Amino acid sequence: GAVVSQHPSRVICKSGTSVKIECRSLDFQATTMFWYRQFPKQSLMLMATSNEGSKATYEQGVEKDKFLINHASLTLSTLTVTSAHPEDSSFYICSARDSGQPQHFGDGTRLSIL
Amino acid sequence: AQSVAQPEDQVNVAEGNPLTVKCTYSVSGNPYLFWYVQYPNRGLQFLLKYITGDNLVKGSYGFEAEFNKSQTSFHLKKPSALVSDSALYFCAVRDRYSSASKIIFGSGTRLSIRP
Repeated sequence: GAVVSQHPSRVICKSGTSVKIECRSLDFQATTMFWYRQFPKQSLMLMATSNEGSKATYEQGVEKDKFLINHASLTLSTLTVTSAHPEDSSFYICSARDSGQPQHFGDGTRLSIL
Repeated sequence: AQSVAQPEDQVNVAEGNPLTVKCTYSVSGNPYLFWYVQYPNRGLQFLLKYITGDNLVKGSYGFEAEFNKSQTSFHLKKPSALVSDSALYFCAVRDRYSSASKIIFGSGTRLSIRP
């Protein structure tokens, strides 16, 4: 089945650091990629949607300058958390979808900012 | 506005017994419906989807879901629960007529299967 690889699985870093998370679709072309944030015991909160070669569309309340998304190819999207602070600590999950197909999810990245 | 409701935060079932995880939706038109499962510190795994046709959809790991249009429900079921089924389950919907539409998740139901 379709596989989405997300890397790294866990990041621990100091406040003020920028962190990049990669999301790759391994066996299909991801025309659309999604980035979610999940707080403990809560559902997934969509942060942004990106289509290959286009600027990402951010959900209301998500700072686009804080969470930089690049979807440069049909198999790779990156999320960069710039100047991360402790309140950015969370579980970030990417998802990828080819047109007309179900979304497939990465295994998530647990980000801890000290 | 589109929404998905999972009325139960937690469902507890004894191993070997049937299980049901409830989901109702409020979406205009005929949406795509999905169930996903999430294990600790992992992303979501696709279980099954309803697009059209037979109201009973069979998915991975022995799970199935029944689409009921009149009740706008899409409950997840399994005839005989396993301890390994313990996880967090999400119901989700997406507008079928817009390729750019977002998937909307329910709040999740934690399924706990006791030995």
